[in-house]
Amino acid sequence: QSVLTQTPSVSGAPGQRVTISCTGSSSNIGAGFGVNWYQQLPGTAPKILIYGNNIRPSGVPDRFSASKSGTSASLAITGLQAEDEADYYCQSSDSSLSGLYVFGSGTKVTVL
Amino acid sequence: QVQLLESGPGLVKPSQTLSLTCTVSGGSMRSGNYYWTWIRQHPGKGLEWIGYINYSGDTNYKPSLKSLATISIDTSKKELSLTLTSVTAADTAIYYCARISGTWFDPWGPGIAVTVSS
Repeated sequence: QSVLTQTPSVSGAPGQRVTISCTGSSSNIGAGFGVNWYQQLPGTAPKILIYGNNIRPSGVPDRFSASKSGTSASLAITGLQAEDEADYYCQSSDSSLSGLYVFGSGTKVTVL
Repeated sequence: QVQLLESGPGLVKPSQTLSLTCTVSGGSMRSGNYYWTWIRQHPGKGLEWIGYINYSGDTNYKPSLKSLATISIDTSKKELSLTLTSVTAADTAIYYCARISGTWFDPWGPGIAVTVSS
């Protein structure tokens, strides 16, 4: 069972905006630890999408954005494209016995 | 640009020991700024952090796996290793190695699928 909770699936038509939520607790996101987001295309390894709450690595389109507030974080995809269909995971650090690094349960984004 | 590649057996019998290697190319493992980690993904499930090691050999494991997992490093060979003892079907997963940059994982290896079955 994942420490961080994500909505299992979201969908949208091309061009639309979708958001993915990531809910944690006072031992991880709420403790001030940064949130990172990964994109996992089918059959491939996860790839860093956002780090440090809202920083896009070089090469990541600016239609991806993220924010954090309290014990939660969210990832937004604006101008949804077919190539964005993938699984998305949030990740943070944790001070409990869950382990130093924890992941979200994952969200499947479907482009209609 | 750093690249990682996992290798090892694709099939392991229950109660045996699983040994995986991650070979690093395109960069040094000796930088004190980076740690190296193993992560696994059970079939159709989410991601689970296993543990990390730095170039000095300092390790940190997920508490529930601490008694079963051992991570080692050979900076001269540019290899990272994972040993998992007394495996069960619950250890069937895709295993990834990755570099820890700050508090995030980048890059990742392509992963290696391991099945525990008799």
